[in-house]
Amino acid sequence: DAMVIQNPRYQVTQFGKPVTLSCSQTLNHNVMYWYQQKSSQAPKLLFHYYDKDFNNEADTPDNFQSRRPNTSFCFLDIRSPGLGDAAMYLCATSRVAGREQYFGPGTRLTVT
Amino acid sequence: AQSVTQPDIHITVSEGASLELRCNYSYGATPYLFWYVQSPGQGLQLLLKYFSGDTLVQGIKGFEAEFKRSQSSFNLRKPSVHWSDAAEYFCAGRAGNKLTFGGGTRVLVKP
Repeated sequence: DAMVIQNPRYQVTQFGKPVTLSCSQTLNHNVMYWYQQKSSQAPKLLFHYYDKDFNNEADTPDNFQSRRPNTSFCFLDIRSPGLGDAAMYLCATSRVAGREQYFGPGTRLTVT
Repeated sequence: AQSVTQPDIHITVSEGASLELRCNYSYGATPYLFWYVQSPGQGLQLLLKYFSGDTLVQGIKGFEAEFKRSQSSFNLRKPSVHWSDAAEYFCAGRAGNKLTFGGGTRVLVKP
């Protein structure tokens, strides 16, 4: 089945230690999104790629970076995680920007 | 500004009873609107979408939603709730290349 895959599902990192979360998709969608979701809140968009074009949200901290080496894969890099970065990170894809998005299962990040 | 509002933070419903979740939008033109469901510790699953045409939209898991332009609403309904419907529900609308999410409504199902 076509899907959005996120690895790992659970990630524990230390304060200040760089961490990378990965997302892959078999939908061949042009657009990939990264969201941060904290408990009992709506997902908050960090950035998105339209093909290779990177679009950063104005309020996304510089601590968060992303890479999309090809259509199928997208990575979220947190350069120096703080305690406030503990959250669920969701990857989503869309065939056309602004249309329905398909979400992966998320990566739960814990910062110790 | 384009926005989506879900007035109810929590809703408790008995199993077998009907469910209606409210969603209000603020858009100039006809919006693209969506409902998603999120079970604990999981990603969001698309329940249904509205772009144009018939204002009553059928989705998965027995859900439907009705677009009412006069009320700026896109409410989600289910005639008979199952215990497995306990989850967080998000209404969302298109904002350019992105989606704007409402704050979510948590649904609790009583036996």
